[in-house]
Amino acid sequence: ILNVEQSPQSLHVQEGDSTNFTCSFPSSNFYALHWYRWETAKSPEALFVMTLNGDEKKKGRISATLNTKEGYSYLYIKGSQPEDSATYLCASLRGNYQLIWGAGTKLIIKP
Amino acid sequence: DTEVTQTPKHLVMGMTNKKSLKCEQHMGHRAMYWYKQKAKKPPELMFVYSYEKLSINESVPSRFSPECPNSSLLNLHLHALQPEDSALYLCASSVSETDYGYTFGSGTRLTVV
Repeated sequence: ILNVEQSPQSLHVQEGDSTNFTCSFPSSNFYALHWYRWETAKSPEALFVMTLNGDEKKKGRISATLNTKEGYSYLYIKGSQPEDSATYLCASLRGNYQLIWGAGTKLIIKP
Repeated sequence: DTEVTQTPKHLVMGMTNKKSLKCEQHMGHRAMYWYKQKAKKPPELMFVYSYEKLSINESVPSRFSPECPNSSLLNLHLHALQPEDSALYLCASSVSETDYGYTFGSGTRLTVV
């Protein structure tokens, strides 16, 4: 069974603090890694698509890194704001076009 | 229009009811997807339609019946569901089946009583 694991499952962070969480995925037959941001009662919104080992992507205060050899990606949020509260989902696309989802990390920013 | 619209947002149905979930997009995407998600679990792929034809059925019970009447619409017909089918049902679309840049709807929260 090939799973995508996200940790932690949930995370409480004080406003203004920086934080990060992890997505672990099967390193074999890797094709791409997707990150989505999902606010409650809204649609999941695409953040990043990453394909190359060592890739780093940035969008405002959010950035992500990718290690395809060891099968993990980190998502970093710098200076957390209340609007960052959401569930962050990752999904690993394998070479056989199989997309495997993680269960998400629920981030709660405390004012 | 860059959205996927799902209706209804919430649905409560009895085990003998027949209901339908609707999904609509006007982005010209030719692949559309139904996912089921239970709390704290990964989204589970149910069906994929590509160019209005069923491409993938992930061994979903026949009490779930998808339909794609045209390139903009995707329905999920529900009949004789069980309480364990209660979940969030998400629709997504992408340019094609091999383009994984999904646009998601906000989901239908289904409760089977």
